[in-house]
Amino acid sequence: SQKIEQNSEALNIQEGKTATLTCNYTNYSPAYLQWYRQDPGRGPVFLLLIRENEKEKRKERLKVTFDTTLKQSLFHITASQPADSATYLCALRLAASSGGSYIPTFGRGTSLIVHP
Amino acid sequence: ETGVTQSPTHLIKTRGQQVTLRCSSQSGHNTVSWYQQALGQGPQFIFQYYREEENGRGNFPPRFSGLQFPNYSSELNVNALELDDSALYLCASATTSGGQNNEQFFGPGTRLTVL
Repeated sequence: SQKIEQNSEALNIQEGKTATLTCNYTNYSPAYLQWYRQDPGRGPVFLLLIRENEKEKRKERLKVTFDTTLKQSLFHITASQPADSATYLCALRLAASSGGSYIPTFGRGTSLIVHP
Repeated sequence: ETGVTQSPTHLIKTRGQQVTLRCSSQSGHNTVSWYQQALGQGPQFIFQYYREEENGRGNFPPRFSGLQFPNYSSELNVNALELDDSALYLCASATTSGGQNNEQFFGPGTRLTVL
């Protein structure tokens, strides 16, 4: 069966360090993978998208890698700040079928806590 | 803020009742998706509407239905509510062009509690 796995345990790090979150998947061949941030009681906010033919994507302090051989994406936040504390979700999107429909699939998310 | 709004913010219903949740998409977006997010879980895809037609559906029973209106606002209807329907319901809007969805913008969600 298809699965997306994100570490269910919270990641605690010290301010200024690099946070690294992992997203593993099985039995998918995603066209692309997205990372979202979600704060308590709020909807997810899109952060980065990486396509299957891309190895790495950067945006300010964020970096995402995508290894389709390992079926894994890593999400890095450099110089982390307490304001980065949130739940981070990865989501896979399969290539659109001829009918144009697809099912986006989210992991359960990993909570990041950055201590001052 | 994403420009996607949802109403109501909170709702309490009892088992067997019916509920309608509403979403107003971001201006210019022609695609809306609905998700159910249980506590501690990721959002689960319910269905998507593109130009007022259902354009993809997740593993949810027929008592979950939806509508998209010409102004791209949307409704999620759930009949015969069950206790397990208690969750945060999220809508997300996007533009679809050339058969490809672009970035999704999520609303703040409606917290539904079924007693």
